[in-house]
Amino acid sequence: NAGVTQTPKFQVLKTGQSMTLQCAQDMNHNSMYWYRQDPGMGLRLIYYSASEGTTDKGEVPNGYNVSRLNKREFSLRLESAAPSQTSVYFCASSSQGVVTEAFFGQGTRLTVV
Amino acid sequence: QQQVKQSPQSLIVQKGGIPIINCAYENTAFDYFPWYQQFPGKGPALLIAIRPDVSEKKEGRFTISFNKSAKQFSLHIMDSQPGDSATYFCAASKAGTALIFGKGTTLSVSS
Repeated sequence: NAGVTQTPKFQVLKTGQSMTLQCAQDMNHNSMYWYRQDPGMGLRLIYYSASEGTTDKGEVPNGYNVSRLNKREFSLRLESAAPSQTSVYFCASSSQGVVTEAFFGQGTRLTVV
Repeated sequence: QQQVKQSPQSLIVQKGGIPIINCAYENTAFDYFPWYQQFPGKGPALLIAIRPDVSEKKEGRFTISFNKSAKQFSLHIMDSQPGDSATYFCAASKAGTALIFGKGTTLSVSS
């Protein structure tokens, strides 16, 4: 049981380049999330998808787009990367209902130069 | 506005000590308060969680204390060990919404 799988694990981009971060979960969870982690800033929500077919903005959505491809997969796209997007990105998933434990992937460390 | 405020930013204790990490929240609609533990290079993992209908929850050496009227909750680690050295995040959410995290506390337990 893999849980939440993120690819790639590391990436270096040049300013202005685009890329897509991939995330897949095998726990049959309805909800999926993208967070970014920066030193001293904690985990900040970029976008989330409460269920297949829906997406909503979080605290820091500017510069990002998302696609909930199906129930398992939720991708994050940077259309024109900027140095301010250098961060560690985490995907997470959770089931809906009373218990809302979120399971996190291992993260993608992105550097924009 | 920061909806979940966490303190201290860092904490150093000796083995066997009892580190305490505090969080305060703004939104009275929050109904789920977890603590996550993160080791370097890994994703956060759920450590323990509490709902506002109880004032305390213990799981092993980890205890959450919850004060609904003060809108505060805290994590206590009994008999802390070097293996507890990690970053700890408090978080809060209401039904159907995403977790909102505090900024984290880096704990170092010296042997």
